[in-house]
Amino acid sequence: QVQLVESGGGLVKPGGSLRLSCAASGFTFSNYYMSWIRQAPGKGLEWVAYINSRATTIYYADSVKGRFTVSRDNARNSLYLQMHSLRAEDTAVYYCATTPTPDYWGQGTLVTVSS
Amino acid sequence: AIQMTQSPSSLSASVGDRVTIACRASQGIRNDLGWYQQKPGKAPKLLIYAASDLQSGIPSRFSGSGSGTDFTLTISSLQPEDFATYYCLQDYIYPWTFGQGTKVEIK
Repeated sequence: QVQLVESGGGLVKPGGSLRLSCAASGFTFSNYYMSWIRQAPGKGLEWVAYINSRATTIYYADSVKGRFTVSRDNARNSLYLQMHSLRAEDTAVYYCATTPTPDYWGQGTLVTVSS
Repeated sequence: AIQMTQSPSSLSASVGDRVTIACRASQGIRNDLGWYQQKPGKAPKLLIYAASDLQSGIPSRFSGSGSGTDFTLTISSLQPEDFATYYCLQDYIYPWTFGQGTKVEIK
């Protein structure tokens, strides 16, 4: 069955870096664009980044532009989010997703930025 | 960036009630809007795409309407499993933007 499994979250100090991964299975990963979407504790959803199927088109939310980099490895069925210069306001559960077409989501990985 | 304004931010309703949630875009987005349901500790789930198309597997009591700047999600007869938070998402132009959410609680 379709699975998206995020990993790499954890506790990091302000100004630090972290790399999230998303492992895809059960569908042809290389055919689909992917997004990262995050949710701060007790808050709403925020779209973070988009990458098309061949990684030729990438977009970022203004809040992360210049600090985050999205990439993918279609041979490994994997999506990545490299995060630098992390701030307290980046604390959130990070989801990888193919939404809206098709609507596949991971379970999320928690990133906590705190000293 | 396009701003998506949902209303109300929360509502209390009873099982069997008809519930309507509104979403307004700060500029026209054609019908490039989706509605999501999220339960605590879970990933969101798409209910409606392209403003009014029902996602496969979603009960027909959910419906969406609207185009341009004003959109509506309707639950025709609220069921116990529908108590959750609902979000709209515009995918017309990047950056995609979500509404702030509407929490549907039990009256």
